[in-house]
Amino acid sequence: AQTVTQSQPEMSVQEAETVTLSCTYDTSESDYYLFWYKQPPSRQMILVIRQEAYKQQNATENRFSVNFQKAAKSFSLKISDSQLGDAAMYFCAYSNTGNQFYFGTGTSLTVIP
Amino acid sequence: NAGVTQTPKFQVLKTGQSMTLQCAQDMNHNSMYWYRQDPGMGLRLIYYSASEGTTDKGEVPNGYNVSRLNKREFSLRLESAAPSQTSVYFCASSRGPATYEQYFGPGTRLTVT
Repeated sequence: AQTVTQSQPEMSVQEAETVTLSCTYDTSESDYYLFWYKQPPSRQMILVIRQEAYKQQNATENRFSVNFQKAAKSFSLKISDSQLGDAAMYFCAYSNTGNQFYFGTGTSLTVIP
Repeated sequence: NAGVTQTPKFQVLKTGQSMTLQCAQDMNHNSMYWYRQDPGMGLRLIYYSASEGTTDKGEVPNGYNVSRLNKREFSLRLESAAPSQTSVYFCASSRGPATYEQYFGPGTRLTVT
C-alpha cells in the first residue's frame, strides 16, 4: 500500500511570513496525483492545491505553491504572506489513477499575529 | 447548491447497535467516498463508489457496508457498532476518479460506548 508521511505534527509562522510544510510518499507507480487539503476548525476539508506526477512544473495557486521532487518522492507546500485564516490542519494526500486515496497524518499550522 | 450533505452530525451508539450514515451530493458527481478520521491518523478510505451501481473497498472496510442508492446518495452502515468505530466520518464526492478534486461533507461525529 502507498504511504504518505508528514513529519511535522505542528508548525508555526508569523503573519506575513513564509512557511513550508513537508510531505513524502512511497509508491512504485509512475502515474499518480498529489494534493494538499486544508481542514480549519470547522472540520470542512478544502482542496488547496493539486499536482499531476507527469507534469514537471510545480503547481501554484495564489499564495500557495508546491515543490514537487518526483525522484525524491517529496511534495512540500509553501505558503507565502501567511494570513490568520491560513491557520488549520494541512493534509498531504496521494491518489493513483484509480480510486484509492491516501492521506498523511496532518500538520497543524498556527499563524502568530 | 448545498454541495455534500451528511446526516446526522452527531451520534452516540451503544456497542452492538446498528445505524446508517447518510450522504447526498447535488453536483452530479459520479464518484463518492466514505472516510474515517481518527486523531493522529489522518483520513482513511473505507469504501468508494466509482459510479452509480458500483462499490469497492478502501483501506479499512471491515465492519462497514455501503449502498449507492442512486447517483446522489451513498450510505454507510454499521451493522454492529464497536468502540473501535468511534471516529469522525466524512463523505466526499468527485466528478471522476480520485485524481479529481474531492468535495467533502461536514462530517459525522460518532461515539460508540
